[in-house]
Amino acid sequence: DGGITQSPKYLFRKEGQNVTLSCEQNLNHDAMYWYRQDPGQGLRLIYYSQIVNDFQKGDIAEGYSVSREKKESFPLTVTSAQKNPTAFYLCASSIDLGLRYNEQFFGPGTRLTVL
Amino acid sequence: GENVEQHPSTLSVQEGDSAVIKCTYSDSASNYFPWYKQELGKGPQLIIDIRSNVGEKKDQRIAVTLNKTAKHFSLHITETQPEDSAVYFCAASIRAGGTSYGKLTFGQGTILTVHP
Repeated sequence: DGGITQSPKYLFRKEGQNVTLSCEQNLNHDAMYWYRQDPGQGLRLIYYSQIVNDFQKGDIAEGYSVSREKKESFPLTVTSAQKNPTAFYLCASSIDLGLRYNEQFFGPGTRLTVL
Repeated sequence: GENVEQHPSTLSVQEGDSAVIKCTYSDSASNYFPWYKQELGKGPQLIIDIRSNVGEKKDQRIAVTLNKTAKHFSLHITETQPEDSAVYFCAASIRAGGTSYGKLTFGQGTILTVHP
């Protein structure tokens, strides 16, 4: 059963703590993405990765970090430097970075709440 | 960069009626326009997309139209059902070339409610 998995579904964090969100895909996709979604707003791009060991900042990368050590995995770390981290985080993947058309598929999301 | 505006922000219809959601984009180089449906607490699901070389695409009760001259595209849902209730997002993308990234820019979303 191919798809994208994110864990955990819900995550609570105290202020000042770093936290890592997991994203795994078994679609054999090269490209992976992290988005942030706030109530009543569209999706905003945090980071994206074209290939293993390569990633680029998106529109709102400040306070976040990523790694891409394996093709299947693209974890996102929300650091204490992120001023307003409470949000719904979505991971996505696509065959490539849109060399044809950028058809992206999304995971179920992780809801992060900072206490 | 690309800017996508989506209207209306909320839409309420009776079961069996049609629903139309409209988006405009700013960059004439955009060539790929997907629509996503997001149910409460879940990730968005791609429901239909259209590419700039066609003007209309249908898939059962769902259709999308594209007007490249006016730079707008629309989602049409006919014979709406309560299970169509969700948040719908449009997006636009410029096809990547070489190592250039084809970024998806999303609209703000439309909350569709279908009343039985």
